[in-house]
Amino acid sequence: GIQVEQSPPDLILQEGANSTLRCNFSDSVNNLQWFHQNPWGQLINLFYIPSGTKQNGRLSATTVATERYSLLYISSSQTTDSGVYFCAPRYSGAGSYQLTFGKGTKLSVIP
Amino acid sequence: NAGVTQTPKFRVLKTGQSMTLLCAQDMNHEYMYWYRQDPGMGLRLIHYSVGEGTTAKGEVPDGYNVSRLKKQNFLLGLESAAPSQTSVYFCASRGGLLSNDEQYFGPGTRLTVT
Repeated sequence: GIQVEQSPPDLILQEGANSTLRCNFSDSVNNLQWFHQNPWGQLINLFYIPSGTKQNGRLSATTVATERYSLLYISSSQTTDSGVYFCAPRYSGAGSYQLTFGKGTKLSVIP
Repeated sequence: NAGVTQTPKFRVLKTGQSMTLLCAQDMNHEYMYWYRQDPGMGLRLIHYSVGEGTTAKGEVPDGYNVSRLKKQNFLLGLESAAPSQTSVYFCASRGGLLSNDEQYFGPGTRLTVT
């Protein structure tokens, strides 16, 4: 199956700082989503981004499918951004219906 | 519009007991999924369904069974619970081939097997 690597595994930021999270994947994809798992365990949809760039407030994401990576940018971080960020692509091969999750980047934003 | 809901939210089982987790979605989605999440890990797929009456195995199906008798519901069963099945279980759904491809998750069920 498709392999997904996220970096860095852990990240500590001062409130107000910017960060970039990276997701590399091993095969061609027809879907990629970014999720935020908050400290209460809830999975929140951030972006559905199989290719191109999207922005939502302080967050933006870029996927370059031909080079097999995606980036999540967080600007002016806030303590509420803390949690784990997951990248989940879906392999584009025949018979593939599911997202495959990376191990996540754990972000801690300190005041 | 409640999205994806899961019942129960928490459960404690003794080894060897059985239980069923219920997932329901009100978005008329074709595809439904069950994942498990262990500490410090991403989500791993247990079983999934591409439509009413269909089921298929995912990455870690052993010890679990599923059923999709109605389009809006996807049941996950544990016939004889083991401590290794202590985990947080997430259900998800997405539209299907001809609709929005984004996948949505339920709030999770925390299961402890003693």
